[in-house]
Amino acid sequence: GAVVSQHPSRVICKSGTSVKIECRSLDFQATTMFWYRQFPKQSLMLMATSNEGSKATYEQGVEKDKFLINHASLTLSTLTVTSAHPEDSSFYICSARPGTSYNEQFFGPGTRLTVL
Amino acid sequence: GNSVTQMEGPVTLSEEAFLTINCTYTATGYPSLFWYVQYPGEGLQLLLKATKADDKGSNKGFEATYRKETTSFHLEKGSVQVSDSAVYFCALSDSGGSARQLTFGSGTQLTVLP
Repeated sequence: GAVVSQHPSRVICKSGTSVKIECRSLDFQATTMFWYRQFPKQSLMLMATSNEGSKATYEQGVEKDKFLINHASLTLSTLTVTSAHPEDSSFYICSARPGTSYNEQFFGPGTRLTVL
Repeated sequence: GNSVTQMEGPVTLSEEAFLTINCTYTATGYPSLFWYVQYPGEGLQLLLKATKADDKGSNKGFEATYRKETTSFHLEKGSVQVSDSAVYFCALSDSGGSARQLTFGSGTQLTVLP
């Protein structure tokens, strides 16, 4: 149980295009989902926290108009990188917290974004 | 604010060697503590956790004990295998706030040689 999927696993796009990444909780309802960014050989940086049905809370320094987050249902959150540029290339990881668990987050496998 | 300090890597060990990865934390309240493992090209997997002082988390031969007096949660394994090669992250989840965000350490790269 407690599986989180991400789609796509890898995406390559041209500069200026937008890319949508999906995060799904497959066997539980996630009241809260988190989006992280990970640079090579570095730790995870929290980008934003999203609660189902409400606006995401962004961490300081993360542009909300650049990284659009939608948490439309209890099993799906999407991150859209708008007008992507090469510096947006990174590994994006989502996690989901079940409504029944106060402490635990379950992580998706990550999405490798490369912007040419 | 909350912070997690991990032993810097990379760590290289021979198979069957003893492993210790140090982790100390700073937090308000009573945090829960976690170790996550990340294999190359993958997301994070929960390895073990402890939710209160003196709890010992264990999984797959790995252990860590929540030490409130030393604010530590060191990861140990008695005999590592090549398949344990990965990056290990120590993390805490604060008791305050409804989101219970995770604060991660910088990660420690472990390589186990045959």
